[in-house]
Amino acid sequence: QKEVEQNSGPLSVPEGAIASLNCTYSDRGSQSFFWYRQYSGKSPELIMSIYSNGDKEDGRFTAQLNKASQYVSLLIRDSQPSDSATYLCAVQSDYKLSFGAGTTVTVRA
Amino acid sequence: NAGVMQNPRHLVRRRGQEARLRCSPMKGHSHVYWYRQLPEEGLKFMVYLQKENIIDESGMPKERFSAEFPKEGPSILRIQQVVRGDSAAYFCASSPSSGGNTIYFGEGSWLTVV
Repeated sequence: QKEVEQNSGPLSVPEGAIASLNCTYSDRGSQSFFWYRQYSGKSPELIMSIYSNGDKEDGRFTAQLNKASQYVSLLIRDSQPSDSATYLCAVQSDYKLSFGAGTTVTVRA
Repeated sequence: NAGVMQNPRHLVRRRGQEARLRCSPMKGHSHVYWYRQLPEEGLKFMVYLQKENIIDESGMPKERFSAEFPKEGPSILRIQQVVRGDSAAYFCASSPSSGGNTIYFGEGSWLTVV
């Protein structure tokens, strides 16, 4: 079983729609959860962090965490073409950050 | 990404040569991590270092790969006798301390082995 699994992509959404990304993790002791955005040929860029159960909103992004279900999600509202990228879910246990394989999102103009 | 400096950004090596990748963490950060990203794959943890200490190298291949973070100077990831399968993006990241702190990534070093 992979430590961090993301819904397989690619995900194509029309401009203005909501993009929904899902992630599950195996280590119940994980403490911190992150979403990174990575453009092709670039490094990962942190867009959201969440540490406790519930929702966290930042602009057009909302992260949701459910530790009982070992589930993290990211919603991108009012998707823009500039949101087209690969989104990486990352789960931290102690010092180690484990990444999912990523979900590629394409926003159609 | 601001502050974690990696060089070179792009490196081409012939099979059998050595590759050295350097990473200077963000100011005030004493913890360095190296990750590798193979084409079309996610990031894989390689090694975690503090100044002069390797804390966890469980993700490092057993042979040809080594890492250090000396008291002075950048962290170095060294790959000896490179093979085509070493072609990947190598990302360095840093944090002020371990556990629960946000990890910031550098721009990456893209290694191509020809």
